[in-house]
Amino acid sequence: EAQVTQNPRYLITVTGKKLTVTCSQNMNHEYMSWYRQDPGLGLRQIYYSMNVEVTDKGDVPEGYKVSRKEKRNFPLILESPSPNQTSLYFCASSTGQDAYEQYFGPGTRLTVT
Amino acid sequence: GENVEQHPSTLSVQEGDSAVIKCTYSDSASNYFPWYKQELGKRPQLIIDIRSNVGEKKDQRIAVTLNKTAKHFSLHITETQPEDSAVYFCAASRWDSNYQLIWGAGTKLIIKP
Repeated sequence: EAQVTQNPRYLITVTGKKLTVTCSQNMNHEYMSWYRQDPGLGLRQIYYSMNVEVTDKGDVPEGYKVSRKEKRNFPLILESPSPNQTSLYFCASSTGQDAYEQYFGPGTRLTVT
Repeated sequence: GENVEQHPSTLSVQEGDSAVIKCTYSDSASNYFPWYKQELGKRPQLIIDIRSNVGEKKDQRIAVTLNKTAKHFSLHITETQPEDSAVYFCAASRWDSNYQLIWGAGTKLIIKP
């Protein structure tokens, strides 16, 4: 089954404790992206990747890191989480060619206390 | 850069009536305009999209119209049903920005029985 997976789905952590949210897709998509969703603010892009070893900042990259060492994986790293990073996070992927549909993962609900 | 405004933020309609959600964009070079539906607790999913060389596109009960001169596009849902209740997001992008999607803030559509 073609899908985008994220882990964990729910995470409660404390300020300053490094964490990684994994994202994996099995559709051989070149393009992958991370979004955060907050009430009233819609979807805001954090980072995106056009292909392996190619990443770029989105609209709200501060406090986040990403890497793209393999085509299928695009982990999101919070090295020192803060309460303002409490949010719902979505990973998405697409073919990256021409205008395209983005396929979203199930989301990760992160709470930083 | 591109900015997308979406109205209304909440829309309540009687089952069977039509619903219209409007978005405006600022970048006249934007040429791809998708609409995503996000049901409660679920991930966003593409429901319809339109490119700038087309004025209207239909898919069963949903349609999207685009007015390039006025820089706005709208989602029309006819004969609304309970399963149409969700948050709807519009977005805009342009081919020379790697099709990075700029999202509207979302519209919560409530279908009253």
